[in-house]
Amino acid sequence: QSVLTQPPSVSAAPGQKVTISCSGSSSNIGNSFVSWYQLLPGTAPKLLIYDNNKRPSGIPDRFSGSKSGTSATLGITGLQTGDEAEYYCGTWDSSLSAWVFGGGTKLTVL
Amino acid sequence: QVQLQQSGLGLVKPSQTLSLTCAISGDSVSTNSAAWNWIRQSPSRGLEWLGRTYYRSKWYNEYAVSVKSRIMINPDTSKNQFSLQLNSVTPEDTAVYYCTREIGPGNGRNWFDPWGQGTLVTVSS
Repeated sequence: QSVLTQPPSVSAAPGQKVTISCSGSSSNIGNSFVSWYQLLPGTAPKLLIYDNNKRPSGIPDRFSGSKSGTSATLGITGLQTGDEAEYYCGTWDSSLSAWVFGGGTKLTVL
Repeated sequence: QVQLQQSGLGLVKPSQTLSLTCAISGDSVSTNSAAWNWIRQSPSRGLEWLGRTYYRSKWYNEYAVSVKSRIMINPDTSKNQFSLQLNSVTPEDTAVYYCTREIGPGNGRNWFDPWGQGTLVTVSS
């Protein structure tokens, strides 16, 4: 049972937009910043978003992040088949004194 | 460009010790501006943070409560790497293990980048 809650799966057609939610509490998302990671089988995980809504160099602006209260959202526009992956949100939990993650969301581009 | 290269055995017997190493290039394990973490991923648990080591005038280690009694993360300054040892493993420890650098200004504003390539560790007799 993950501390942060994500939908297990989302799907959309190529070219469309999808959002992935990440819900937490006041001890984690509520007073920390959220980052998002893309996991593709056989490859190193990739940082997509940090500081709630910042993109590292090399991440296209099709990827966006936002946070409100104790929830965060990852948005992906202009979906491509190469975006099929598992996506995780993560943040620091001040009560647990530990990093916590969501359970992961499997994105399928139909 | 920082790169992390993992090494270690992929098959461990129950009750034995899992050992992995993460070699760092492009940064220093002794830097005052990063922490060096181990995270694992399994279908049943998703991403699970295991712990970290970092240097701030002295060395610190912090571990997840779930593994605190049987984990050690150690820096090796002579080889610029850090290691993971997980004792008394069970099949529930079967997962892909990743090393990663944690950076950022601190106070809940950090993130992980880059990550190692991952090592599938299977616990089985």
